[in-house]
Amino acid sequence: DAKTTQPPSMDCAEGRAANLPCNHSTISGNEYVYWYRQIHSQGPQYIIHGLKNNETNEMASLIITEDRKSSTLILPHATLRDTAVYYCIVRVGYKLSFGAGTTVTVRA
Amino acid sequence: EAQVTQNPRYLITVTGKKLTVTCSQNMNHEYMSWYRQDPGLGLRQIYYSMNVEVTDKGDVPEGYKVSRKEKRNFPLILESPSPNQTSLYFCASKGAGALIKQYFGPGTRLTVT
Repeated sequence: DAKTTQPPSMDCAEGRAANLPCNHSTISGNEYVYWYRQIHSQGPQYIIHGLKNNETNEMASLIITEDRKSSTLILPHATLRDTAVYYCIVRVGYKLSFGAGTTVTVRA
Repeated sequence: EAQVTQNPRYLITVTGKKLTVTCSQNMNHEYMSWYRQDPGLGLRQIYYSMNVEVTDKGDVPEGYKVSRKEKRNFPLILESPSPNQTSLYFCASKGAGALIKQYFGPGTRLTVT
């Protein structure tokens, strides 16, 4: 599996967009980028995934660079309930490997 | 409501006393998996099951057993728990196809004294 690198923490103001970077420079052609989040010891929650194209759903947008070596998860209007650990995972197949993630704190 | 349930949610037990943590999903998913989460180590996969009667080891299977006799249930068995199995455990499931998202249960916090 490709290794991912995320900043350990970041703050965001409530109502502003939160941009979470992820580096995956060794990603291979058939590996997808997944994002999950975990709110305070709850079960991880799927957010979004993508292969090459940018993706958007009701929770977030995923921007993948053209060379696929990095991606950015965008929470368009962060709320206090978005405070969580966000995991960027690169994987083909079923198994998910969770690293340390980015602890995002949304401040009022 | 689509969900993965785990029981119990909290358990304190003593070394060597066999226990089972149940996991059930109502989404008719083929794939189910168990993870443990420890501070500084992230989530690590214990066992997974691709379908009924098909199970395989994950990254940290030692000290655990699983069974998959029915599609909806995937219990985690600790035959002789030890203090190093004190952890937060999550069950997850997903449907067929590698791209479908995994659904996680609420977690079981186990303490072995």
